[in-house]
Amino acid sequence: EVQLVESGGGLVQPGGSLRLSCAASGFTFSDYNMNWVRQPPGKGLEWVSSISDRSHYIYYADSVRGRFTVSRDNAKNSLYLQMNSLSAEDTAVYFCAKSMSWQISALDIWGQGTLVTASS
Amino acid sequence: DIVLTQSPATLSVSPGERVTLACRTSQSINNNFAWYQQKPGQAPRLLIYGASTRATGIPDRFSGSGSGTEFTLTISGLQSEDFAVYYCQHDNNWLAFGGGTKVEMK
Repeated sequence: EVQLVESGGGLVQPGGSLRLSCAASGFTFSDYNMNWVRQPPGKGLEWVSSISDRSHYIYYADSVRGRFTVSRDNAKNSLYLQMNSLSAEDTAVYFCAKSMSWQISALDIWGQGTLVTASS
Repeated sequence: DIVLTQSPATLSVSPGERVTLACRTSQSINNNFAWYQQKPGQAPRLLIYGASTRATGIPDRFSGSGSGTEFTLTISGLQSEDFAVYYCQHDNNWLAFGGGTKVEMK
């Protein structure tokens, strides 16, 4: 079964750090670009970051550039998001999602999401 | 940056109706364009990619069309399980989502 499972979310104080993980299974992880998308409570989807299959290309939303770092370990079939200097505005459910192919950026597989809450 | 604007924000409909959702982009884009459905407490589900191709397992009552700056998602004969929020998405080196359209029961 093709699956993505996020972990690492939780409650963190403003200014703190958190590292999210996304474990992939059921497909050849190293063949696909991967993405992080977040959704604040009661709001819409916001793209956070994308990383190419071999990590050669990395992109960030302006709202997180300089604070968040995306990485992947193809040997471990895992995607990561290191989040530093967190603020209340970063509170959201964070989803990892797989791109369909290198030509098609549509996200065909999503994890269930992990909730990050930045609050004192 | 390209901005995606969805309309309407909310649509009140009855089962069986034909529904058309719109997404307008701030500048002309290629067809690397997708639609998603999201139900409460769930991850989004890919419905349409390439502006008009249904994803695997998506019923044929869902169809996508459009080009340039105007794209539409049509649901022909709304089913009870189709009440949800729908998002459009484009890729211009980085991803962008529209604000969503909530389809609710009238």
